[in-house]
Amino acid sequence: AQSVTQLDSHVSVSEGTPVLLRCNYSSSYSPSLFWYVQHPNKGLQLLLKYTSAATLVKGINGFEAEFKKSETSFHLTKPSAHMSDAAEYFCVVSDSGYALNFGKGTSLLVTP
Amino acid sequence: SQTIHQWPATLVQPVGSPLSLECTVEGTSNPNLYWYRQAAGRGLQLLFYSVGIGQISSEVPQNLSASRPQDRQFILSSKKLLLSDSGFYLCAWSPGSSYNEQFFGPGTRLTVL
Repeated sequence: AQSVTQLDSHVSVSEGTPVLLRCNYSSSYSPSLFWYVQHPNKGLQLLLKYTSAATLVKGINGFEAEFKKSETSFHLTKPSAHMSDAAEYFCVVSDSGYALNFGKGTSLLVTP
Repeated sequence: SQTIHQWPATLVQPVGSPLSLECTVEGTSNPNLYWYRQAAGRGLQLLFYSVGIGQISSEVPQNLSASRPQDRQFILSSKKLLLSDSGFYLCAWSPGSSYNEQFFGPGTRLTVL
């Protein structure tokens, strides 16, 4: 069975400061892991994905995530937040097959 | 490049009325297609997926149905809407050779009154 837990439902940062969105997962197999972003009333956009290659994954818009098997974590980071980063972020795990298992989301607020 | 379209963007329907939401994908062949629902304050719930024309798998028994009349067309339907059908409906696709990486459409906001 697979599951994903996003540890914070809301995160607030100031513009120009680092962003950390936390995600822990459980999986019976070697999982694929993803981060998606959703702006209000929009579809989901893939930020980055991990599929058993390099453990540090770089994505779009300056985001990156590190896969840590020993900690079963896949935290999303960005060195410097921009106002346009304000959105809902979803951590997603997939063991295999069609099913994507979504976390409940973290709402990122960026203040001036 | 591949694009995915959904329409309508927003819809307000009375309880008991029928529903038809459409999703089309361009720029790829034989995609896997998915319907998700995102209710307020909740994550995404997979409703249906399809690996080919006429092949539909249902994840959650409910008031909805799906059909795939053409390779790149996926339709979500209901004969009689319930209040609980309100939500944000997202269509997604993945390459036929892969289930994992899915690409999402812009979504349809459905309000049932």
